[in-house]
Amino acid sequence: DAGVIQSPRHEVTEMGQEVTLRCKPISGHNSLFWYRQTMMRGLELLIYFNNNVPIDDSGMPEDRFSAKMPNASFSTLKIQPSEPRDSAVYFCASRGYGGGVSGYEQYFGPGTRLTVT
Amino acid sequence: AQSVTQPDIHITVSEGASLELRCNYSYGATPYLFWYVQSPGQGLQLLLKYFSGDTLVQGIKGFEAEFKRSQSSFNLRKPSVHWSDAAEYFCAVGPPRGDDKIIFGKGTRLHILP
Repeated sequence: DAGVIQSPRHEVTEMGQEVTLRCKPISGHNSLFWYRQTMMRGLELLIYFNNNVPIDDSGMPEDRFSAKMPNASFSTLKIQPSEPRDSAVYFCASRGYGGGVSGYEQYFGPGTRLTVT
Repeated sequence: AQSVTQPDIHITVSEGASLELRCNYSYGATPYLFWYVQSPGQGLQLLLKYFSGDTLVQGIKGFEAEFKRSQSSFNLRKPSVHWSDAAEYFCAVGPPRGDDKIIFGKGTRLHILP
């Protein structure tokens, strides 16, 4: 299995520009999570989906952030307009539903390092 | 409120020495418990997990963790660390039914002295 795939791995953009981060979860997984990691705030959950439906978006910082999951194999996190304080590493993670004692751990992608100048 | 506390932000140990990273949680019921490791520039990788049964669980890379219900703790241990263990370690807890988000601690950064 290829694991969780994120693109791009690095993104440098100017303030005010739109940024789109992409995630392909592990095939067969039914939950997807977007996290943001910074030195100051650590690892923060932004939003998560179960079966392509957003369940909890309380971590989304503000209306500039939006996330979609049009199908089970693809999700996007969009920032419009971007600001320097959005600079962080953004992780996508997916989780299967194996039931019993397995299936509840999350598998993380390698992350997208976003720099907004 | 549900929370995870990793009281040590940084820990430094010598290569070959034993290691224990602390994790305490606050949860309404016995949660699912996880330890993840993050190497520099990488995503988080699952080290081990506890759902039920034997309270001492074995993980990858020679790590183990012990669940102590009376202390609401899930400490991570390794008998002898290697330089490659230098990384950040995250403890996390999730709901018993397993279908909700999990809560991560703020992490402990492990430094290894040669």
